[in-house]
Amino acid sequence: QVQLRESGPGLVKPSETLSVTCSVSGGSLSTYSWSWIRQPPGKGLEWIGYIYDSGTTSYNPSLKSRVTISSDTSKNQFSLRLKYVTPADTAMYYCARDILGAAPRSVIWGQGTMVTVST
Amino acid sequence: SYVLTQASSISVAPGQTARITCGGENIGSRSVHWYQQKPGQAPVLVVFDDIERPSGIPERFSGSNSGNTATLTISRVEAGDEADFYCQVWDSTTEHRVFGGGTKLTVL
Repeated sequence: QVQLRESGPGLVKPSETLSVTCSVSGGSLSTYSWSWIRQPPGKGLEWIGYIYDSGTTSYNPSLKSRVTISSDTSKNQFSLRLKYVTPADTAMYYCARDILGAAPRSVIWGQGTMVTVST
Repeated sequence: SYVLTQASSISVAPGQTARITCGGENIGSRSVHWYQQKPGQAPVLVVFDDIERPSGIPERFSGSNSGNTATLTISRVEAGDEADFYCQVWDSTTEHRVFGGGTKLTVL
């Protein structure tokens, strides 16, 4: 059974880079698609982007200039980097395993890691 | 970019039927997925491709999609169904995933 676990710094200063990692157990990273989705406190879900085939990526246009998603198949992990963060980037960050197709969907989610952007 | 509109909240008595709608321009031509998020938990997929249910999701959860509105219907609502529900589509024009703003279901 596939399980995902996010890990992150908890607190990031404004203008710095946020880095969070998702560790995948019970399944191979080289199959399926893997997404990052975030949720600011008390607000809705926002898709950040995904990676598949261990290198092909797609990003939310609103975040594209600041986002990089990468994967490390040797560790069975994939990661999110978000540059030049502001307090508006404060959110719970979820990783998820997707099923692609005409309309990609996330079928397995991690429990999330909370990241706060503050001085 | 494509916009999905959901009511912020609905309230339903136990045993009744909850209908949660998701509005979008010609959404009937797109595949819609629905997620349930209980407080303090990660979202869970409850309906995909408009009408399909993942294994383990009760038959009480069903979906439909036509015209400008997709609907998630929960029959015989239970207290444990109380949650936020989000619709989601794929915007092929901008190549990104779009979520609705979410609907909070309260069981009276």
